[in-house]
Amino acid sequence: EIVLTQSPATLSLSPGERATLSCGASQSVSSSYLAWYQQKPGLAPRLLIYDASSRATGIPDRFSGSGSGTDFTLTISRLEPEDFAVYYCQQYGSSPPWTFGQGTKVEIK
Amino acid sequence: QVQLQESGPGLVKPSETLSLTCTVSGGSISSYYWSWIRQPPGKGLEWIGYIYYSGSTNYNPSLKSRVTISVDTSKNQFSLKLSSVTAADTAVYYCARSIAVAGANWFDPWGQGTLVTVSS
Repeated sequence: EIVLTQSPATLSLSPGERATLSCGASQSVSSSYLAWYQQKPGLAPRLLIYDASSRATGIPDRFSGSGSGTDFTLTISRLEPEDFAVYYCQQYGSSPPWTFGQGTKVEIK
Repeated sequence: QVQLQESGPGLVKPSETLSLTCTVSGGSISSYYWSWIRQPPGKGLEWIGYIYYSGSTNYNPSLKSRVTISVDTSKNQFSLKLSSVTAADTAVYYCARSIAVAGANWFDPWGQGTLVTVSS
């Protein structure tokens, strides 16, 4: 099973600032099969990024993903008020079980 | 577009079986993987397992001995049974879809989730 470790646990930033979230894998994620999700309180997660860098339908271009192997990054270029939420990474590169990171909370500073 | 909706009891007694159903609307249940994912209060996400419309399944080894996922294509529904529950199974349970091709197994869309509490 691939273990995903997200850092930092909490990111305190102001609107307009750049957010950089990290996701590290315990072993290489084949073919960059990694997704990112955004979750707001009381709501289901929403797909942002798949295949490490492809934006899902309707996702603003201020969200971008990068990385390969064991190190992946989600960048939000300029934080909007609606971007303050918890973000999870998920790998689907190996046979199941598919696994998630523990999440990074982006909070208003 | 495809929408998913979970339904089932919100309270289950310890040692009993948790049963939930996910109804798929706006599209066919065919040709996709249909998963259950859970999230304990204030914690992260855990994939429970998936079923293909043909009935083939794959479960998380951590829960495999207690999990059964089934599908009813005539009703466009799939279901989760989790036996011998304890307080540790208290969580919001989500159903979600992924493409049934290796390397395309991100989850989209998701249901809104349903909270199941295990308590006597």
